[in-house]
Amino acid sequence: QLQLQESGPGLVKPSETLSLTCTVSGGSISSGSYNWGWIRQPPGKGLEWIGSLTYSGSTYYNPSLQSRVTIAVDTPKNQFSLKLSSVTAADTAVYYCARHRGAFIALAFEFWGQGTLVTVSS
Amino acid sequence: QSALTQPPSASGSPGQSVTISCTGTSSDVGGYNYVSWYQQHPGKAPKLLIYEVIKRPPGVPDRFSGSKSGNTASLTVSGLQAEDEADYYCSSYAANKGVFGGGTKLTVL
Repeated sequence: QLQLQESGPGLVKPSETLSLTCTVSGGSISSGSYNWGWIRQPPGKGLEWIGSLTYSGSTYYNPSLQSRVTIAVDTPKNQFSLKLSSVTAADTAVYYCARHRGAFIALAFEFWGQGTLVTVSS
Repeated sequence: QSALTQPPSASGSPGQSVTISCTGTSSDVGGYNYVSWYQQHPGKAPKLLIYEVIKRPPGVPDRFSGSKSGNTASLTVSGLQAEDEADYYCSSYAANKGVFGGGTKLTVL
């Protein structure tokens, strides 16, 4: 069974860069035509798509975050990562990594990590 | 403000059916057959219930069904059960990006 696990600092200072890693187990990140994504959820609020990485290496980002976001894959480690620069308190959220079901265009996230809370505060 | 509009709350009694709407525009819901629905229990990750408007992943009961008309997609939960009480989110593809609805809290009375 495929499992995803987010990891990274739970506290980030304002103006710094948030860095998270998603470790995939139970399957190879590079096998099959799978696409991977990051989604976040501020406390008590709804879901927000951050961006996705396709099996072919293309990246797609939420236009509202595009200038600050980078998603990359580390195939040997079976991981993919999220970097969000110049964070503010508004970036405080539970961050989820997930695997798409099918093509990127379907935007259907079938397998999810448990989520990790990142708080932006000095 | 979310890109897709959902009612904040919905409710029904056990055994009844409830329909949750998700309204977008011709640039997202209305323009593509790529609407998904998720169920989220408190403190848990979302679970995919419906994708590509009407399809169910393996293991999702057929009590959950999706549909779309114009710029509005809908999720119907039939035969309500206590464990269906949760938050429900819709999402749609929208020209190289994904958009979510604000979520609907479903209460089983």
